[in-house]
Amino acid sequence: AQSVTQPDARVTVSEGASLQLRCKYSYFGTPYLFWYVQYPRQGLQLLLKYYPGDPVVQGVNGFEAEFSKSNSSFHLRKASVHWSDWAVYFCAVNSGYNKLTFGKGTVLLVSP
Amino acid sequence: EAAVTQSPRSKVAVTGGKVTLSCHQTNNHDYMYWYRQDTGHGLRLIHYSYVADSTEKGDIPDGYKASRPSQENFSLILELASLSQTAVYFCASSEHGESAETLYFGSGTRLTVL
Repeated sequence: AQSVTQPDARVTVSEGASLQLRCKYSYFGTPYLFWYVQYPRQGLQLLLKYYPGDPVVQGVNGFEAEFSKSNSSFHLRKASVHWSDWAVYFCAVNSGYNKLTFGKGTVLLVSP
Repeated sequence: EAAVTQSPRSKVAVTGGKVTLSCHQTNNHDYMYWYRQDTGHGLRLIHYSYVADSTEKGDIPDGYKASRPSQENFSLILELASLSQTAVYFCASSEHGESAETLYFGSGTRLTVL
């Protein structure tokens, strides 16, 4: 069965520093992968999504992610973190009929 | 911009009582979903629907019913609420249910069962 692992429950980054949030997936076949962000007291919003093609995907607000089939990974990156990036980030894989299997999420804390 | 609204925003229910959570979308989307979010578990799919008057079971349907009376509305029903159903519930919609489509989420309903 498909699964998503986000090994870091919490990540703290200084404002202006670079960021990487890790995501490992398990899926038989060609995966469609997503990163969603949840800001405080809000629903989830799409950051970016991958479907077969260029392994590096650009998203909103300077985020990008890189798909690696050999490593079964889809890590999220940002070159310079802003305080407004403080949120919970979810990686997800499509399970068919657009049903998503989510990871447990990574809380991103931004320190001044 | 897609719009999915949930009501109520929060609710306190008693064990054994009936709870109905409502979701309304104005996007003309075919698919609607109910997820629950628990600390340490991410989001898990409860029920979904791809057409009015039809619902499908997701990954954790036990203890929940769903109703899709129209394309715009999708309800989640807890006939006998239990303590273990305390969670945040999210409704979402997508246009056609294809693999790479974006899901549009509501702001969530925080349910506390006492």
